[in-house]
Amino acid sequence: DAMVIQNPRYQVTQFGKPVTLSCSQTLNHNVMYWYQQKSSQAPKLLFHYYDKDFNNEADTPDNFQSRRPNTSFCFLDIRSPGLGDAAMYLCATSRDKSRTSRYEQYFGPGTRLTVT
Amino acid sequence: AQKVTQAQTEISVVEKEDVTLDCVYETRDTTYYLFWYKQPPSGELVFLIRRNSFDEQNEISGRYSWNFQKSTSSFNFTITASQVVDSAVYFCALNWNNAGNMLTFGGGTRLMVKP
Repeated sequence: DAMVIQNPRYQVTQFGKPVTLSCSQTLNHNVMYWYQQKSSQAPKLLFHYYDKDFNNEADTPDNFQSRRPNTSFCFLDIRSPGLGDAAMYLCATSRDKSRTSRYEQYFGPGTRLTVT
Repeated sequence: AQKVTQAQTEISVVEKEDVTLDCVYETRDTTYYLFWYKQPPSGELVFLIRRNSFDEQNEISGRYSWNFQKSTSSFNFTITASQVVDSAVYFCALNWNNAGNMLTFGGGTRLMVKP
């Protein structure tokens, strides 16, 4: 049973042409994350949501935006993709932290973005 | 500073060998959480284990075992009798008390198990 779904799995876009990647979840988790992962590197957090509360990482370029219209869906918009934005984009979800615990993140299969 | 180091970038073993993946972490917090994730060629990161800083018990799950040692700030992962399906990139990650839900990942170790 798919829990975190990402569409499409592969996306090709042209230099400068806006592109949107989508993520949906069936876990009803209130935290959602977007990561960028380049070849042979660890995932790099771009931003995350606590419910509708958006949190941007300090070094995430303005070219990257996100929307979360409801609990289940989250979108990553790249306004003007450059060649350096070619990467795997991973969506993840988790339960919110508690005072005494942290919870694992559940990842989707990723969208591999190619910029031509 | 909060940091995770996986010194082994790539390991190659023959099927049925045992293999240990090293993870060393740095944090000033006394309360923190450590994770291991597996990333097979399909791309999806799969959660393997979570351990909090107050629980130093080692854990075994089938062929997988984890050795948490606060004295050396290490959380090593051993696969016994490795199989070709274990071939993947493995990430160790740290969450410290003031980081909310955020993870700091190590650089990953690529494990190749040859038949």
